[in-house]
Amino acid sequence: GAGVSQSPSNKVTEKGKDVELRCDPISGHTALYWYRQRLGQGLEFLIYFQGNSAPDKSGLPSDRFSAERTGESVSTLTIQRTQQEDSAVYLCASSLDIHTYGYTFGSGTRLTVV
Amino acid sequence: GENVEQHPSTLSVQEGDSAVIKCTYSDSASNYFPWYKQELGKRPQLIIDIRSNVGEKKDQRIAVTLNKTAKHFSLHITETQPEDSAVYFCAAIGQAGTALIFGKGTTLSVSS
Repeated sequence: GAGVSQSPSNKVTEKGKDVELRCDPISGHTALYWYRQRLGQGLEFLIYFQGNSAPDKSGLPSDRFSAERTGESVSTLTIQRTQQEDSAVYLCASSLDIHTYGYTFGSGTRLTVV
Repeated sequence: GENVEQHPSTLSVQEGDSAVIKCTYSDSASNYFPWYKQELGKRPQLIIDIRSNVGEKKDQRIAVTLNKTAKHFSLHITETQPEDSAVYFCAAIGQAGTALIFGKGTTLSVSS
């Protein structure tokens, strides 16, 4: 596609529920990244993919967080048993490959846990 | 791993003044340093970047300088305009083949 697409744009969920966030990178971009941005804060690295491999999962905050990617396309970030502190904007970015650093970001998913 | 510190957290200037935002990084192997601008409610967008083989790069009113010895880099905006008001993030990449690590951001307010 022309840009990085994320869905849903907004998600309100009850505490304890599971959520799935989706990212569709730019066509041909083999590297994909997930970041979390809490209100008024910086971009916190979560995980990145080169193809469908995730070499670095060190940024995932807890074992409630997981991510997968199908080939070199769509990625989903899953948060199980959501907590209020999970409320944030989840941003996805893609780049041509892991050694090409021109990231293009999606518009993000605003997650609110009530 | 890489750690990026950014200062100041907020910066207010008058239209036409210059603004400078500074970042330090911890990993001496870092070789790529981008700056992103994020307007309220929008996605971060790359505005300028620099690689470790140069000391300065300019693009119209925006410039970035890099001091590898001191492990810091700065964003300079000259002749600021109200539309420059946004949050600016610096970032660095440590080991080749990893992800960008971002600073906590600087909220720049330009008043007319």
